[in-house]
Amino acid sequence: AQSVTQLGSHVSVSEGALVLLRCNYSSSVPPYLFWYVQYPNQGLQLLLKYTSAATLVKGINGFEAEFKKSETSFHLTKPSAHMSDAAEYFCAVSEGIQGAQKLVFGQGTRLTINP
Amino acid sequence: GAGVSQSPSNKVTEKGKDVELRCDPISGHTALYWYRQSLGQGLEFLIYFQGNSAPDKSGLPSDRFSAERTGGSVSTLTIQRTQQEDSAVYLCASSPAGTAAYEQYFGPGTRLTVT
Repeated sequence: AQSVTQLGSHVSVSEGALVLLRCNYSSSVPPYLFWYVQYPNQGLQLLLKYTSAATLVKGINGFEAEFKKSETSFHLTKPSAHMSDAAEYFCAVSEGIQGAQKLVFGQGTRLTINP
Repeated sequence: GAGVSQSPSNKVTEKGKDVELRCDPISGHTALYWYRQSLGQGLEFLIYFQGNSAPDKSGLPSDRFSAERTGGSVSTLTIQRTQQEDSAVYLCASSPAGTAAYEQYFGPGTRLTVT
């Protein structure tokens, strides 16, 4: 079965600093990988996705992630943090079932931005 | 356009009562998913519907949980004889057919509290 591990349940950075949220996956087949963001009392919003095309994926709000097969990683980065980036971030891997894409999520990383 | 909507947004019920949670997917989306988000278990897949195919119920935690999708659109998740461990946020997502089938769009969730 596929699984996702997010290193660090809480990450705190200063405004303007680099954001790095770590995600490692386990999959016996080429995976589809996703990062979602969740703001307080809201649902999940797709930030970006990897679907076996370019290994460097750009998403919304200035985020990007790089798929590294040799490291089984899909870390999320943003060069300069903004206060509005404070939220919880989830990495997920798809587990295809008859064409549908059940998602397996990591435990989440709560990002805090310090002024 | 309209996103995925869920009702109610909050539900408080007494242990042993039955509850029904509703999900209205994005119009035209063929796949519909239910997930549960709780402090102890993180985000877990519950069930998904794909077109007219039989639903995949592999994530339902017990036979007290059931779901249906009427007319390929609205879905209802029913929990019978609720227990305190059922307290969680229940998230619904939908996805279109075709190459974007892996993009799941989430609703805001229903927060269920069992007292």
